[in-house]
Amino acid sequence: AQKVTQAQTEISVVEKEDVTLDCVYETRDTTYYLFWYKQPPSGELVFLIRRNSFDEQNEISGRYSWNFQKSTSSFNFTITASQVVDSAVYFCALSDWNRDDKIIFGKGTRLHILP
Amino acid sequence: ETGVTQTPRHLVMGMTNKKSLKCEQHLGHNAMYWYKQSAKKPLELMFVYNFKEQTENNSVPSRFSPECPNSSHLFLHLHTLQPEDSALYLCASSQGTGTEYQETQYFGPGTRLLVL
Repeated sequence: AQKVTQAQTEISVVEKEDVTLDCVYETRDTTYYLFWYKQPPSGELVFLIRRNSFDEQNEISGRYSWNFQKSTSSFNFTITASQVVDSAVYFCALSDWNRDDKIIFGKGTRLHILP
Repeated sequence: ETGVTQTPRHLVMGMTNKKSLKCEQHLGHNAMYWYKQSAKKPLELMFVYNFKEQTENNSVPSRFSPECPNSSHLFLHLHTLQPEDSALYLCASSQGTGTEYQETQYFGPGTRLLVL
């Protein structure tokens, strides 16, 4: 069965600090997709990144970076120099390569960036 | 309008009411989804429509009735709901299922539903 675990329920950091959100997944599939979504207070889920299981290269996009480690089944998300606008709930998600219309979400990590 | 829109944004209804949630996507996608996000549970997939055909019904009670008249519109008809159905209902769309497609779902702002 597929499962996504975000062990950190809630994190608070002071602005400009770096913060890493953990994501551990379980799947029996050898090919799959991993995602991160951001949910600001307004409610909508904003797509941040999709990574397929063949590509273990780390990715950086501005202040955001993702560390995909297949050996530990982890797909962690780091925000450097955090800003108050980064405050949101962040969801990690997993989908099967063949059933890619069905995404399994983690429970989310609520991130508070304190001014 | 761009992206995925949902109306209404907020809804309060009694248990005997009948209401409908509307979702519209302006992305040219062929797949649409309903999710439920409640305080005590992770995001739950409710229904999936692919090219107007329902491909997933995730054991959702019959008091929730989806309708997909075309690839751009998705409705969720509500009747005789329970207080525990109070939640944020999110609609999403994606390009469409197929082995060559890479599915990223794009979400609407959600409808916050309160059932009294």
